[in-house]
Amino acid sequence: KAGVTQTPRYLIKTRGQQVTLSCSPISGHRSVSWYQQTPGQGLQFLFEYFSETQRNKGNFPGRFSGRQFSNSRSEMNVSTLELGDSALYLCASSPGGLQSYEQYFGPGTRLTVT
Amino acid sequence: GESVGLHLPTLSVQEGDNSIINCAYSNSASDYFIWYKQESGKGPQFIIDIRSNMDKRQGQRVTVLLNKTVKHLSLQIAATQPGDSAVYFCAENMNSGNTPLVFGKGTRLSVIA
Repeated sequence: KAGVTQTPRYLIKTRGQQVTLSCSPISGHRSVSWYQQTPGQGLQFLFEYFSETQRNKGNFPGRFSGRQFSNSRSEMNVSTLELGDSALYLCASSPGGLQSYEQYFGPGTRLTVT
Repeated sequence: GESVGLHLPTLSVQEGDNSIINCAYSNSASDYFIWYKQESGKGPQFIIDIRSNMDKRQGQRVTVLLNKTVKHLSLQIAATQPGDSAVYFCAENMNSGNTPLVFGKGTRLSVIA
């Protein structure tokens, strides 16, 4: 099975711009979670989508949003970028049903905001 | 490569020795735990998991120990190899898979050849 893929792998944006990141989960997985990883804060949970619905949400401002399509692919969007949004954004997929805990991560998208 | 943590605790181990990486988790209600390995420039990679009804689980060269009394998790790597050099994270899940994983800050393992 192909693993989780994320595009693009690297991105440079300017403050105030917006960005959309994409994640394709492992075939058959219905849950997609997004995380932000920074040296200072570690891995922080952004949100999780399951069957096109947001199931869980972390403590991030409304500038961070996401969605999931019927094929389970997911996108996250960050509007009005700030310098502090520079991070590695990781997507993880899992089967998504009850008792399905294991998450498989993609390689991440490295976002740099200048 | 990309740095995932500039101020992580670091464990330096001689090649061939055993490594023990420790993690204190936060919630006594957590019922599932995972160890991940993250190499530079890559996403976290699943190593081994354990449910709260167990206190030990073994994989290939790795063993996870769970002490629920003190909310402590450890990862033991036997015969550590240079390829084991990475950042290791523990993660806990608090409620039957419908809540997000909570990750620890990570430990950097450095293997000395």
